[in-house]
Amino acid sequence: RKEVEQDPGPFNVPEGATVAFNCTYSNSASQSFFWYRQDCRKEPKLLMSVYSSGNEDGRFTAQLNRASQYISLLIRDSKLSDSATYLCVVSQSGGSYIPTFGRGTSLIVHP
Amino acid sequence: ETGVTQTPRHLVMGMTNKKSLKCEQHLGHNAMYWYKQSAKKPLELMFVYNFKEQTENNSVPSRFSPECPNSSHLFLHLHTLQPEDSALYLCASSQEFNGNYGYTFGSGTRLTVV
Repeated sequence: RKEVEQDPGPFNVPEGATVAFNCTYSNSASQSFFWYRQDCRKEPKLLMSVYSSGNEDGRFTAQLNRASQYISLLIRDSKLSDSATYLCVVSQSGGSYIPTFGRGTSLIVHP
Repeated sequence: ETGVTQTPRHLVMGMTNKKSLKCEQHLGHNAMYWYKQSAKKPLELMFVYNFKEQTENNSVPSRFSPECPNSSHLFLHLHTLQPEDSALYLCASSQEFNGNYGYTFGSGTRLTVV
């Protein structure tokens, strides 16, 4: 089983739609969780951290489900500029806080 | 200048060449990382430095040699690379080794080995 798994997509949605991505992780002792955004041929940029109680930043909502070992990202009212690849990042624990990236989920928002 | 700066942005090198990638961070972070990103693959961690000490070497071939002279600078020395080493090489830094506050990436060096 891969450490961090994401559906690569692409998710093709119209402007204004609501879209959700999930990311599953295998290490139950994982401590830190993030969503990154990567535009084509650019570096990943931190979108938001994911907290145990869930957190929201404008149109973006992140949730953590420790029991089922997944995190989610919900994007409401999609904009054309949201088109990108969304990377899930999980930091392992157990003496070595090594971040592991998922392969990313591609989102295409069309007019 | 702020953030994480990588040079060069693009590099084409032959298999017998020796070159170095440079990364500099102006964020006061204590941990620095080298990642490799190949097409259609997740980011692969190569090396981690925490307070200038190498803490992880993720089974990287010896043709890649990292150097961290201080907590602000990180180098990746390359020699006798193979065409399959062509990829985007990303440097990142974090405030703490455990990455609780996330990671800041440089723009990357797009490497082509011919």
